[in-house]
Amino acid sequence: DVKVTQSSRYLVKRTGEKVFLECVQDMDHENMFWYRQDPGLGLRLIYFSYDVKMKEKGDIPEGYSVSREKKERFSLILESASTNQTSMYLCASSTGTPPRQYFGPGTRLTVT
Amino acid sequence: ELKVEQNPLFLSMQEGKNYTIYCNYSTTSDRLYWYRQDPGKSLESLFVLLSNGAVKQEGRLMASLDTKARLSTLHITAAVHDLSATYFCAVGNMDSNYQLIWGAGTKLIIKP
Repeated sequence: DVKVTQSSRYLVKRTGEKVFLECVQDMDHENMFWYRQDPGLGLRLIYFSYDVKMKEKGDIPEGYSVSREKKERFSLILESASTNQTSMYLCASSTGTPPRQYFGPGTRLTVT
Repeated sequence: ELKVEQNPLFLSMQEGKNYTIYCNYSTTSDRLYWYRQDPGKSLESLFVLLSNGAVKQEGRLMASLDTKARLSTLHITAAVHDLSATYFCAVGNMDSNYQLIWGAGTKLIIKP
């Protein structure tokens, strides 16, 4: 089975802090994604990566950056956390045709 | 711009009843996905639909795709409490092999 893990289930940070969210997948997938999930808005893509060191902006990249130094690991960085970044963050990976995304358990981030 | 609309967004129903969730999308796509999310848990892939008239079934859930109407349905037959969850549809972006555009989700509560 595909396994996607995220470093924390719950995280509380203060405004202005730098926040790192880590995601690791164990199935050698090329593609990895970071979404945020907010009630009534579905999932919105922040960034995705289709290869090591490659990244592309999604729909809402502002205030976020990413890093992919190794194939299995994709990190989301909030350079200076703000209260409007309080949300559920979901990581996913995919491969194959058609690509099917497999999700991690999510990190619920609260910025106070 | 590809947009995805689900309805209803919230559905409360009795066990044993049938119901349908609808997913409309605004522009041509070559793939449509249905996912399930249990409270506090990650998203689980249910179905991938690739062609007009495609129908997939698993247990009491059946998904279909009409690409001409840009409509997919998720039909629940003789609902049971265990099917209570939030169901998302997601549509592939033709401009990108990787991106999915997500509906807002349908929260389904099935009462015994």
